[in-house]
Amino acid sequence: DTGVSQNPRHKITKRGQNVTFRCDPISEHNRLYWYRQTLGQGPEFLTYFQNEAQLEKSRLLSDRFSAERPKGSFSTLEIQRTEQGDSAMYLCASSLPAGVKDTQYFGPGTRLTVL
Amino acid sequence: QKEVEQDPGPLSVPEGAIVSLNCTYSNSAFQYFMWYRQYSRKGPELLMYTYSSGNKEDGRFTAQVDKSSKYISLFIRDSQPSDSATYLCATQNQEAGTALIFGKGTTLSVSS
Repeated sequence: DTGVSQNPRHKITKRGQNVTFRCDPISEHNRLYWYRQTLGQGPEFLTYFQNEAQLEKSRLLSDRFSAERPKGSFSTLEIQRTEQGDSAMYLCASSLPAGVKDTQYFGPGTRLTVL
Repeated sequence: QKEVEQDPGPLSVPEGAIVSLNCTYSNSAFQYFMWYRQYSRKGPELLMYTYSSGNKEDGRFTAQVDKSSKYISLFIRDSQPSDSATYLCATQNQEAGTALIFGKGTTLSVSS
C-alpha cells in the first residue's frame, strides 16, 4: 500500500501525559498537512509543511502542540500535557502539487482519547 | 457564519435512489471544490475535485459548482449500500494558503 500511513491508529492516554503521532506521506509528496477532526465535525487544519519547512500554522495549534518534519519525509505531531479537549481524530494528508491542483490525500488517522 | 455550511443529515435512502448532497460557502475567493467520502473511523477519501462552475461527472457521481450562488452539490446515481458513509465538501483558497476548509459532513445511509 503506497498511501499515507499513520501510527499509532489509536492512543488512549491520561490527562497531563505527552503523546506523539507519526505520519508517513505518499512517497515523493513534498507537502504534508495535519488536521484534527472531532465527532460530528469536518477536519480542521492544524499545520502544513513543504519539505522540512513548516509554512502555515492554525491558531488551533496551541503552544502545547508541536509538529516536525526533520528530513522532509515523515512528520511527527506531539501534544504535551494533554487535556480532555484534545480527544479527537488526528489526520495527516500529503500532496504533490501538479500545476494549480493541490490534491490532498488523507491517511487513516490516529484516534486520541484523553481520560 | 461558518465559511462552509453543510447539513449533517442523516439522510436515508433506498438502494437505487438518486442522492443530492449540498454545501454553501461564504467566501467568493474560494477557487477549488472537493468532495470527500469518509467511512466510519477511516480517513477521508477524495471523490471529486472541481475548479470552475459547471458539472463534472465520474461514473455514478456528478459534482456541480455554481459560483454565482456559492453552492456546490454532489449527485449520486443508482445509490448502493456501499455508498453509506459521511460525505464532506471542502474548498480552498490557494492565494490565502493551502488549508482545506471542510463542511461538517452529511451522513448518508443507503438501505438494500
